[in-house]
Amino acid sequence: NAGVTQTPKFRILKIGQSMTLQCTQDMNHNYMYWYRQDPGMGLKLIYYSVGAGITDKGEVPNGYNVSRSTTEDFPLRLELAAPSQTSVYFCASSYMAKNTEAFFGQGTRLTVV
Amino acid sequence: GESVGLHLPTLSVQEGDNSIINCAYSNSASDYFIWYKQESGKGPQFIIDIRSNMDKRQGQRVTVLLNKTVKHLSLQIAATQPGDSAVYFCAETSISGQNFVFGPGTRLSVLP
Repeated sequence: NAGVTQTPKFRILKIGQSMTLQCTQDMNHNYMYWYRQDPGMGLKLIYYSVGAGITDKGEVPNGYNVSRSTTEDFPLRLELAAPSQTSVYFCASSYMAKNTEAFFGQGTRLTVV
Repeated sequence: GESVGLHLPTLSVQEGDNSIINCAYSNSASDYFIWYKQESGKGPQFIIDIRSNMDKRQGQRVTVLLNKTVKHLSLQIAATQPGDSAVYFCAETSISGQNFVFGPGTRLSVLP
């Protein structure tokens, strides 16, 4: 049982480059989330999805895009990378957003130079 | 003792002592809360949860207390071990009920 899998684990981008952070879960969870965690800080919600075809903005969506074409996958797209996007990105999933825990991936450490 | 670090508040305890980590939550209508543990270089892992119709829940070596009057959660860890060193986050269901809101986190450091 893989749970939540994120790729890549590490990436260095140049300013202005684009990339997609991949996230897939095999628990048939409806809800999926992308968080970013800056050094020594808490988790901030970027985007979330309550099911295939449905996405919504979180607290810090600017500079990012998402799509949810399947229940399993929830990729996060950075179109024009900026140094402010240097962070660790966590994908998570849950069956619901209450009364059940969210399961997290191992994270993607992104550095924009 | 407890001190505020550069970003995260840090709690330092002696091995074998009990630890108490506190969290203030924001939404008085929240009815579900979780404590997560995040070890260095890893994603957060579930420790224990509690629903708002309870004021205490116990797990293995951990207890969560909920005080809805002052919107306060605490996580108690009994006989703290070196493996308990990590950052601990509380989380609550958001106002929309569609995602989780995380607290700022507390770093627990276990001294030998």
